[in-house]
Amino acid sequence: GDSVTQMEGPVTLSEEAFLTINCTYTATGYPSLFWYVQYPGEGLQLLLKATKADDKGSNKGFEATYRKETTSFHLEKGSVQVSDSAVYFCALSFTEGGSEKLVFGKGTKLTVNP
Amino acid sequence: GAVVSQHPSRVICKSGTSVKIECRSLDFQATTMFWYRQFPKQSLMLMATSNEGSKATYEQGVEKDKFLINHASLTLSTLTVTSAHPEDSSFYICSASGQGYEQYFGPGTRLTVT
Repeated sequence: GDSVTQMEGPVTLSEEAFLTINCTYTATGYPSLFWYVQYPGEGLQLLLKATKADDKGSNKGFEATYRKETTSFHLEKGSVQVSDSAVYFCALSFTEGGSEKLVFGKGTKLTVNP
Repeated sequence: GAVVSQHPSRVICKSGTSVKIECRSLDFQATTMFWYRQFPKQSLMLMATSNEGSKATYEQGVEKDKFLINHASLTLSTLTVTSAHPEDSSFYICSASGQGYEQYFGPGTRLTVT
């Protein structure tokens, strides 16, 4: 079945450092790809998404490009802030039974120190 | 907008008892709701999908008699863990989607069975 593999954490960075969290996927079709963020004590929030190959999703300084040739959707940010400390989940979607279902990676915990 | 709440946020129950978790969409009508389970350092695993007024569709390996899901209205779904045992201890997360496919997540419920 479809699956998502993302780099294991935890990741600890200093403020203003460059962030990359790797994500690769396996899918039989052409899924949409997502990054979700979970701040402490809160539910998952959609950070960005891309629906087809070569699309770039971006939000709050984060970017990820849908690379079909490498089946990847790596998350990047040029300069992280303390407020970016959270758990980040890569996910893909597929349609089944009329519903769009999500498959998640294991999550990567990011801690940004001042 | 698109806020999903869960209640309770934490619950402790004794082995053999049942516990009900509520998931509400506060500002939109949720035609589809999803229930996930998250183990420590693991990804979210989809348990079941429910459409308002219909029986839930359970993922392979999920016991439907143990995890009872009711989606009685467009704003409320409930998950009842029946005859809970310590191995049912986990973090349960719901999400809801309306007219579009995007899922909005609740903050989760931590269940501990003693």
